[in-house]
Amino acid sequence: GESVGLHLPTLSVQEGDNSIINCAYSNSASDYFIWYKQESGKGPQFIIDIRSNMDKRQGQRVTVLLNKTVKHLSLQIAATQPGDSAVYFCAEIAGNTPLVFGKGTRLSVIA
Amino acid sequence: NAGVTQTPKFQVLKTGQSMTLQCAQDMNHNSMYWYRQDPGMGLRLIYYSASEGTTDKGEVPNGYNVSRLNKREFSLRLESAAPSQTSVYFCASSPRQGLNTEAFFGQGTRLTVV
Repeated sequence: GESVGLHLPTLSVQEGDNSIINCAYSNSASDYFIWYKQESGKGPQFIIDIRSNMDKRQGQRVTVLLNKTVKHLSLQIAATQPGDSAVYFCAEIAGNTPLVFGKGTRLSVIA
Repeated sequence: NAGVTQTPKFQVLKTGQSMTLQCAQDMNHNSMYWYRQDPGMGLRLIYYSASEGTTDKGEVPNGYNVSRLNKREFSLRLESAAPSQTSVYFCASSPRQGLNTEAFFGQGTRLTVV
């Protein structure tokens, strides 16, 4: 079957370690950012979001950091589990426009 | 709660054939979107409908048309399919467009054009 993860950057981590997935965005006018998780054969699912007036936001086991100066976003996953294996996308919104997605990173958790 | 439902899940077309991908949401969302996903390319926006009665082109609209049939339904039509349109197509919806509005995605339609 088709793999949407072909040719993506891959991050391999040991189970229990922390994961950091990075994303560079290009539009300095973007004011809202979302991280999505996509498991094989499924649509993207919302993980966490952050507005441009914030530098950090925490959820359950996940933290998003935003550095507007260098237009960089990161997703930190604490105590990574096998169920975290997926492709992760950052997406951005500038004003009243649709989501624009980055290319994605595949996270592979080694048990 | 069904969320966003896409039909069909899989489809094989011959070059030149036409077909319509269906999408329906039951969350009373105003905005709906069609994306395509190719290996290593992320999701690219084809068309979107900010609200019922309006549609706009996205990043890659060529070869496609859309219809916002009502608030619930947003269809994507390929009039003359080409091998370059082989992709996974995702429909999404959001309460409105813009700030603080995450999009909810369907499960995708895997289309192969031979």
